[in-house]
Amino acid sequence: GAGVSQSPSNKVTEKGKDVELRCDPISGHTALYWYRQSLGQGLEFLIYFQGNSAPDKSGLPSDRFSAERTGGSVSTLTIQRTQQEDSAVYLCASSLATGFNYGYTFGSGTRLTVV
Amino acid sequence: AQTVTQSQPEMSVQEAETVTLSCTYDTSESDYYLFWYKQPPSRQMILVIRQEAYKQQNATENRFSVNFQKAAKSFSLKISDSQLGDAAMYFCAYRNSGAGSYQLTFGKGTKLSVIP
Repeated sequence: GAGVSQSPSNKVTEKGKDVELRCDPISGHTALYWYRQSLGQGLEFLIYFQGNSAPDKSGLPSDRFSAERTGGSVSTLTIQRTQQEDSAVYLCASSLATGFNYGYTFGSGTRLTVV
Repeated sequence: AQTVTQSQPEMSVQEAETVTLSCTYDTSESDYYLFWYKQPPSRQMILVIRQEAYKQQNATENRFSVNFQKAAKSFSLKISDSQLGDAAMYFCAYRNSGAGSYQLTFGKGTKLSVIP
């Protein structure tokens, strides 16, 4: 597609429920990233995919968080047993490669609210 | 670990005037990249300008320019002739330059308001 698409745009869920957030990167972009933006904070790195592999999962805050990418394209971030502190905007970005000249393109994010 | 600090949570500027947003960072690396991103209410992060640390010349992109002071580890953004559409959150970000480096470290942002 022309840009990075994320769905849903907004999600309200009850504490303890599982949620899935989707990211559809730009076609041909091999690198994909997830970031979390909590209220009043900058973006916090969660995970990086190169193709379907995730060589860096260091930013995932707990084992309740997982992510996968299939077909070198769509990625899903899953949060199990959601907690109120999981409320944030989850942003996805993709790039053609990881060099400096390959800039990130961000999606518009999913705003997750856990009530 | 690298850190990025934006000391101005909020700034305002009159339309057509100039405003400077501050950013400092901490790193032990000698080569790296610095970025300014704009986040309007749509939430999409948009790259405004970027700088390679080994380049002494300050980057410019139309009305946007930076003042990069490597020794002071400072990277400020100047917006000239401010327009209503410049109102947004602005984030400073850092990235290592090593092969395979990809992770961006962000500051907490500065909310810029433009007064008509």
